[in-house]
Parts: sequence; structure tokens; C-alpha cells
Amino acid sequence: DAKTTQPTSMDCAEGRAANLPCNHSTISGNEYVYWYRQIHSQGPQYIIHGLKNNETNEMASLIITEDRKSSTLILPHATLRDTAVYYCIVRVASGGGSNYKLTFGKGTLLTVNP
Amino acid sequence: NAGVMQNPRHLVRRRGQEARLRCSPMKGHSHVYWYRQLPEEGLKFMVYLQKENIIDESGMPKERFSAEFPKEGPSILRIQQVVRGDSAAYFCASSPGQGVLGEYGNQPQHFGDGTRLSIL
Repeated sequence: DAKTTQPTSMDCAEGRAANLPCNHSTISGNEYVYWYRQIHSQGPQYIIHGLKNNETNEMASLIITEDRKSSTLILPHATLRDTAVYYCIVRVASGGGSNYKLTFGKGTLLTVNP
Repeated sequence: NAGVMQNPRHLVRRRGQEARLRCSPMKGHSHVYWYRQLPEEGLKFMVYLQKENIIDESGMPKERFSAEFPKEGPSILRIQQVVRGDSAAYFCASSPGQGVLGEYGNQPQHFGDGTRLSIL
């Protein structure tokens, strides 16, 4: 699976949009970008995933650049409860091999301030 | 709650005892994955199971650790003769089965809230 690079930490004001970047310059054509977050003392929570088109759901939006070498997770109106470690993970999503494994890096600690 | 259920949430064992961790996948999910998170580290894959089959246990320590997912009941991660280094959070995830054409291949894994194992 392609390696990802994320900032160690970010701050965001409550009510503002949080934009979390992720670089995945070695991504392959059949690899998806997944985002998870882990709130303290809880399990990782799935947020969103995409292949090449921008995606939006009730939690967030995922913007993937045209060359797919980077992406941005957008939380449109951050709340205090969005304070968590956010993980950007790239993996092949079909076929054989060990593509089912999720490889968690260190992620980005997002702190939402009042 | 239709999510992945893990129990117990917290488990304390003395060195040499056995620890047994349970995971019930989301309804309709037939694939189970176990991950371990050591203090101050990221989650690491341990084992992938389908009903009555171990598909990949490449992330499991060679000794003392075993996992099963029986036809009926939850998946079990068993750690025999626990040592201090086994202290960690153990997370279970589940996903739908992989279709013949791989059409479920991009389905995300959904995690439980983990079992925090402490070894005295």
C-alpha cells in the first residue's frame, strides 16, 4: 500500500471548517483513499473514502487532486467533539493479496478550540 | 446498537493467566479483523478471519496468541500465559464479505471500541 504523509497536529476554531491534508504521492491507480478518526479511548471511526472523484457524506467531504497524489478531508463546521487523531490510509480495495489490511500511521491530531 | 461489539471493555490479568477477548461483528458482516494498539503507537494488524477460517494471521505473535471465528457466536482472541508486554488496546473490525467479482472490496472496515488489557 502507498505511504501517506500527514501533519502531526492541527488546530481549528469551533464552528470553522477543518481542512486536513494528506500526501500520497506513490498511490496506484487501483488504490482508494480512506479516512478514519480515533477519539480518545474509542475505536477508529470510519469517515469517508474515495478513488478519484470528490466525495461527500453526512460527516465530511473528501477532495482528491486530479493527479491523486494528495487529498484533503474537510469537516465543514468543526465542533469540540471532532477533536481526535485523523488517519489517512491508502489501500487496494479489490482483488487478492493482503489488501484488506489497514495500515495506520501516526495521523494528525486535530484539536478544536472553543 | 448495530455496531461492532467487543467485551470486556477492560480486562485485568496477572502474568501467566489467560486473556480471552470477544468480538461480535456488525449484523450482516462475515469478515473479522483484529488489531493491536500498543501505548503511544498506531494500530497494527494481527489476524483476519472468516467464519470457521483463518485467512491471514501474519500479524499474530508466533506463540501464545490464537484467534477463532466459529460458525456460531463471536470471534475470540485468546492470549495464553500473558506477559506485561501484552498490555495494549485490542480492536476488532468487521466488513461485509467479498463478492465473487470483488464488488464489496471497497467496503470499509468498522471498528469496535476495543478491549483494554492490563497485565499486573
